[in-house]
Amino acid sequence: DAGVTQSPTHLIKTRGQHVTLRCSPISGHKSVSWYQQVLGQGPQFIFQYYEKEERGRGNFPDRFSARQFPNYSSELNVNALLLGDSALYLCASSLVGDRGYEQYFGPGTRLTVT
Amino acid sequence: GQQVMQIPQYQHVQEGEDFTTYCNSSTTLSNIQWYKQRPGGHPVFLIQLVKSGEVKKQKRLTFQFGEAKKNSSLHITATQTTDVGTYFCAGPGQGNMLTFGGGTRLMVKP
Repeated sequence: DAGVTQSPTHLIKTRGQHVTLRCSPISGHKSVSWYQQVLGQGPQFIFQYYEKEERGRGNFPDRFSARQFPNYSSELNVNALLLGDSALYLCASSLVGDRGYEQYFGPGTRLTVT
Repeated sequence: GQQVMQIPQYQHVQEGEDFTTYCNSSTTLSNIQWYKQRPGGHPVFLIQLVKSGEVKKQKRLTFQFGEAKKNSSLHITATQTTDVGTYFCAGPGQGNMLTFGGGTRLMVKP
């Protein structure tokens, strides 16, 4: 079975632009979470979606938004990009929405904001 | 809010030496998970601990959950070059948030 897939793998944007990142979970997984990982730090939770509903939101500004589609894939949108948004954006899927279940991470999207 | 801290931040060991990383939470955890991230890779789930005082082993890796369910440790016996990477602990917080520690980066000299 295919693992979690993310696109694009790399992205370069300029300040003020908008970006959309995409994630496809493992087949059968209904929960998708998004994390931001700055170099040298642990992943920081952004959102969790389960059955197309937002189930959790981390401490990120309203410039960050996400949604989950009927096929359980997900998009993360970031508006008005800042230099500080440069990071690896990780998507993780799990079988259920309970945060106690293991997360399967995708390879990530490396976003560089110049 | 909840904080999860790990020490040390970095650890250099000679191949064959043992390695331990420690994880401490500011709040009691219902469970704790451990992940490994190879250089240039993404986090990969290693294990989940749920019970107070629980100890689990995976070959040369030993994971322990503290009695108060606020701390955990990962011990690797006789490290190998394949153990290189950053080890993260993570615990559930409010609102389905999974809070990761800062990680311990393990470097192994052959």
